[in-house]
Amino acid sequence: DAGITQSPRHKVTETGTPVTLRCHQTENHRYMYWYRQDPGHGLRLIHYSYGVKDTDKGEVSDGYSVSRSKTEDFLLTLESATSSQTSVYFCAISESGTGAFGYEQYFGPGTRLTVT
Amino acid sequence: QKEVEQDPGPLSVPEGAIVSLNCTYSNSAFQYFMWYRQYSRKGPELLMYTYSSGNKEDGRFTAQVDKSSKYISLFIRDSQPSDSATYLCAPSDSNTGKLIFGQGTTLQVKP
Repeated sequence: DAGITQSPRHKVTETGTPVTLRCHQTENHRYMYWYRQDPGHGLRLIHYSYGVKDTDKGEVSDGYSVSRSKTEDFLLTLESATSSQTSVYFCAISESGTGAFGYEQYFGPGTRLTVT
Repeated sequence: QKEVEQDPGPLSVPEGAIVSLNCTYSNSAFQYFMWYRQYSRKGPELLMYTYSSGNKEDGRFTAQVDKSSKYISLFIRDSQPSDSATYLCAPSDSNTGKLIFGQGTTLQVKP
């Protein structure tokens, strides 16, 4: 998985609790992304980062926040988890933001999150 | 209507068959056309891509884009059981710079 780890790999949590997912890369790529994958929807972009402390919203950002204090780490936080946030979350990295190098994204192994 | 439509399948074929996987799209600003492969319980990995219209071949795989009809295809020749996976088309939007993923087609190649 191209030097990308995600933690935890599995998590079950209760509605209303905060949850933080971590993505760690060893490739020194500038861009990092958080996606969620749900049946019938494919992969949808939640947030992305184009550098340390530089982040922006994606297609489905409501209820999520992110932080990037170091090049190698990108955190996704669900402030108050809801059942609709039950999903598989993937982190991805790329060398740049556009063009072939931007669209060639390397994905982590995913985190399966269940909100009960 | 979704920007990218992809038949989820599942598609089941015998080993050695030629497989055709397809997507349709609605956004004329799509520029790069990526194909990702995802094995069960793994992250997607880039298989190949084309830029604008035309064909691109890589071994047993051929990617094809027809921008006039907004149709994206991936052909797999001499399919193998190891090709069993979900295939996701993902065009890039030149206005936003983001990939838009189809929902994926699950392929099973039976020995």
